[in-house]
Amino acid sequence: AAGVIQSPRHLIKEKRETATLKCYPIPRHDTVYWYQQGPGQDPQFLISFYEKMQSDKGSIPDRFSAQQFSDYHSELNMSSLELGDSALYFCASSSQASNQPQHFGDGTRLSIL
Amino acid sequence: RKEVEQDPGPFNVPEGATVAFNCTYSNSASQSFFWYRQDCRKEPKLLMSVYSSGNEDGRFTAQLNRASQYISLLIRDSKLSDSATYLCVVNRRGAAGNKLTFGGGTRVLVKP
Repeated sequence: AAGVIQSPRHLIKEKRETATLKCYPIPRHDTVYWYQQGPGQDPQFLISFYEKMQSDKGSIPDRFSAQQFSDYHSELNMSSLELGDSALYFCASSSQASNQPQHFGDGTRLSIL
Repeated sequence: RKEVEQDPGPFNVPEGATVAFNCTYSNSASQSFFWYRQDCRKEPKLLMSVYSSGNEDGRFTAQLNRASQYISLLIRDSKLSDSATYLCVVNRRGAAGNKLTFGGGTRVLVKP
């Protein structure tokens, strides 16, 4: 079965650079969620989109923005990168039709030098 | 206080033994509950949903106690491959849709 696809798998950037992470949800899933997981931490919710509109916002820094496109894929844009942004970034998707659990992508490992 | 709390462990478990651990949640409006498993540097993977009546999936048994606001996971006949971090996940459905809150995870190490 098709899963959530994230790209790139790994990304290395320097401080003050920008980065864009992409997420392609499971087909027919209408909601996308972004999480940040630092070393030894549990996943922290950043932001979610339902039907291309922002539906909820968590601990997303002002330097980050995200959007969901007409094909339901989502992009997380990160600017003025800091060392503390080094983390695993997961995207998850679900269908709002029920309380079914979210399915996660493999994640993007972002390293800031 | 965190909305979802777990004993971080690690729980050191002899192979073949039984291990159980709990997760408490503070928001009584929480509607659905899940256990996810996460291996090092990998994505969280759904292990099982947790139903009010309790449910079993092979060697794994999950229980929900709404009155005391906790869920539990029991693993029987532990295998080496059960070594992982087990994340308790609580879902609350609001106007903005579903919102998952993760516990900090319980680390389980199964040893020969």
